[in-house]
Amino acid sequence: GNSVTQMEGPVTLSEEAFLTINCTYTATGYPSLFWYVQYPGEGLQLLLKATKADDKGSNKGFEATYRKETTSFHLEKGSVQVSDSAVYFCALLNNAGNMLTFGGGTRLMVKP
Amino acid sequence: DGGITQSPKYLFRKEGQNVTLSCEQNLNHDAMYWYRQDPGQGLRLIYYSQIVNDFQKGDIAEGYSVSREKKESFPLTVTSAQKNPTAFYLCASSAGRGYTFGSGTRLTVV
Repeated sequence: GNSVTQMEGPVTLSEEAFLTINCTYTATGYPSLFWYVQYPGEGLQLLLKATKADDKGSNKGFEATYRKETTSFHLEKGSVQVSDSAVYFCALLNNAGNMLTFGGGTRLMVKP
Repeated sequence: DGGITQSPKYLFRKEGQNVTLSCEQNLNHDAMYWYRQDPGQGLRLIYYSQIVNDFQKGDIAEGYSVSREKKESFPLTVTSAQKNPTAFYLCASSAGRGYTFGSGTRLTVV
């Protein structure tokens, strides 16, 4: 079956530091890939997505590139802010579009 | 504005009791989903429904039940058979490849 693996957290950074959260996946066919963000006590919000190989998703300074050759979708941001502190989930949507599989989540803590 | 409403936000249940979590959407989405989230862990699929009057078990359906009598509503019942029900429950809906999540219900067994 499909699976998503994320780096374990927490990731603790100082403000303005560079962020990378690794995500790799196992899937058949051509899945779509997503990053979701969860702020404390809230549901998930879509951060960015990519639907085919070499696509780059971007939003709010975050970026991730769909790398089929390495089955990866790493999340990056050049300069994090305290307000970016949250849990980030990498997810994969199967070909049929009816099953979203999540990674375990990575907690990011940004200190002033 | 369209969206998904989960209620209540916090729920307390005594051991041995059934409890129902509400999920309502006005997005006109055909598919709806229930996920469970435990502290420090990812989301696990409990049940999903692709269309009214039909639903399928997810990875951890034991101890849970659902119904889908209306397109807008997909309530989840946590039964007394669920051995460890304390968790954060998230409902989602989708049309095509876009998923929308509710704000969640935190269930605590006391």
